[in-house]
Amino acid sequence: DSGVTQTPKHLITATGQRVTLRCSPRSGDLSVYWYQQSLDQGLQFLIQYYNGEERAKGNILERFSAQQFPDLHSELNLSSLELGDSALYFCASSVEEVEGETQYFGPGTRLLVL
Amino acid sequence: AQTVTQSQPEMSVQEAETVTLSCTYDTSESDYYLFWYKQPPSRQMILVIRQEAYKQQNATENRFSVNFQKAAKSFSLKISDSQLGDAAMYFCAYWRPRFYFGSGTKLNVKP
Repeated sequence: DSGVTQTPKHLITATGQRVTLRCSPRSGDLSVYWYQQSLDQGLQFLIQYYNGEERAKGNILERFSAQQFPDLHSELNLSSLELGDSALYFCASSVEEVEGETQYFGPGTRLLVL
Repeated sequence: AQTVTQSQPEMSVQEAETVTLSCTYDTSESDYYLFWYKQPPSRQMILVIRQEAYKQQNATENRFSVNFQKAAKSFSLKISDSQLGDAAMYFCAYWRPRFYFGSGTKLNVKP
């Protein structure tokens, strides 16, 4: 158990709908990353938040948005869902050390868009 | 942008044998971290091992060790005494200033 929690574990929805994925980082971790992984694909970096502020942005679609709250949990909002959005969505939190960061992943949310 | 390359999409190893997974990266930084993550069929991402670039000594974690060649920008993972439970996708990752992942190597372990 990495200490990073994600809810829900599974989500089935229809095209055009909107969903919210939630992530709670490990205690003390200020940084949260979101990734998308389609079946048999690598990890696609979406966005990073650090202590409530957006720090880095990847190939995140305009239909997707995220935020990090004062208690450091984060939410990823996916709207106008398409079939191609079906994927495993990971949240990861990282701890800052003297020279770098180490990232720990949550179990992921499996999204199926029908 | 930094890039991480895993040139072996798939590899196989016999149980109890040793296998080495390759990873190269491109960066102009001198201080950074490197990682190997394992993704078994459950699809959970598990941290296997970490290497700080400022350390010359190669990291080891039980049966897992790395060969870090900073000048060559190479970071390979050696798995000794391979076990069936080692079968998974392995991702190489680089940090600075955020994380960059390779495309992964699928490791099959034959009994």
